[in-house]
Amino acid sequence: QKEVEQNSGPLSVPEGAIASLNCTYSDRGSQSFFWYRQYSGKSPELIMSIYSNGDKEDGRFTAQLNKASQYVSLLIRDSQPSDSATYLCAVRERGGDDKIIFGKGTRLHILP
Amino acid sequence: EAGVTQFPSHSVIEKGQTVTLRCDPISGHDNLYWYRRVMGKEIKFLLHFVKESKQDESGMPNNRFLAERTGGTYSTLKVQPAELEDSGVYFCASSQEPSWETQYFGPGTRLLVL
Repeated sequence: QKEVEQNSGPLSVPEGAIASLNCTYSDRGSQSFFWYRQYSGKSPELIMSIYSNGDKEDGRFTAQLNKASQYVSLLIRDSQPSDSATYLCAVRERGGDDKIIFGKGTRLHILP
Repeated sequence: EAGVTQFPSHSVIEKGQTVTLRCDPISGHDNLYWYRRVMGKEIKFLLHFVKESKQDESGMPNNRFLAERTGGTYSTLKVQPAELEDSGVYFCASSQEPSWETQYFGPGTRLLVL
């Protein structure tokens, strides 16, 4: 069974600090990796996608991918209270037509 | 441009009743997906339409669930008869071709079966 694992949290981070969210996946052949942000009661919103090993930066967000370790992470610099949400890691299945496997999500709480 | 819309936002029904959920994708998006999140679990894929055709319905839990997308526009997901374990949030998402790009999610329908 293909799985995406995340620590459920909550992860509490002081405002202005770096929040680090981690995710591991079981399908070694997976090629596409996504981070979604979901505010309580709202729809998931894509904030980062990454396809190659290494880092990808977008504003305060940096996604990191290590395919050898089957590990994806999301760093949020200068954390703001508005970053408080659940962050979902998602992996696109190898060879699948577009099926995405989600993790359960990590609840992030930024402390003012 | 309007996003993905879903109706109703909430539904409370009794076990054994029928419920129909509706999803209107972003205009021009041929790909439409249904997902479900049961409380405490991860979001799980149910099925994928390309226009009016079911591309992949491997995530449908059982034959009590029927999805349609007549005309390749909006889609409905019917649960008949509903069971307690069907409670959860049902999300719809849509995307343009190539369909591996961003899927835009709707706000979800929160279904509670009593």
